[in-house]
Amino acid sequence: KNEVEQSPQNLTAQEGEFITINCSYSVGISALHWLQQHPGGGIVSLFMLSSGKKKHGRLIATINIQEKHSSLHITASHPRDSAVYICAVRNTDKLIFGTGTRLQVFP
Amino acid sequence: DVKVTQSSRYLVKRTGEKVFLECVQDMDHENMFWYRQDPGLGLRLIYFSYDVKMKEKGDIPEGYSVSREKKERFSLILESASTNQTSMYLCASSRVGAFFGQGTRLTVV
Repeated sequence: KNEVEQSPQNLTAQEGEFITINCSYSVGISALHWLQQHPGGGIVSLFMLSSGKKKHGRLIATINIQEKHSSLHITASHPRDSAVYICAVRNTDKLIFGTGTRLQVFP
Repeated sequence: DVKVTQSSRYLVKRTGEKVFLECVQDMDHENMFWYRQDPGLGLRLIYFSYDVKMKEKGDIPEGYSVSREKKERFSLILESASTNQTSMYLCASSRVGAFFGQGTRLTVV
């Protein structure tokens, strides 16, 4: 069993839909990252969380430390949001990654 | 802005060649990481370094070595490239947040 599990693995949506991507982990963490990878390989760090909730534009990330669960929400989705979204947790000096959620948003 | 720069975006090497992948960060971060990314397998840690001249094996270190002679530079070395090392290689640096390079797509023929 992977230490970091993401769901769903693949997600398609119509433009404007509200999207949620989930991440569950089984190890102790000091922080959780949400990353975005576009075609071509470049990875951007969206959020780093250790508790509570963060918002940036149409993106919202939440974390529940007790339940070992985090969610990434995208409001009013747009085709340019199409990417792979990756959850990663910091465990001591290591980052442990989920396998990613591939999101496609259609016009 | 933090920058993590990988020396090449695309590389094609022959089987048996020694390959160097370079990564430089400009934020004085202690921690640096090398990952490879393959379809269906996600990101897998090859090596990480938490200080100059310090290195630790990650999940898949076989066939690779690393060098950290200066704090800002972390090099990944393929001693004798093989076709199963064809992959996307990503470098990251971290103190609190994690910052990634653009990736190097390596093809070994």
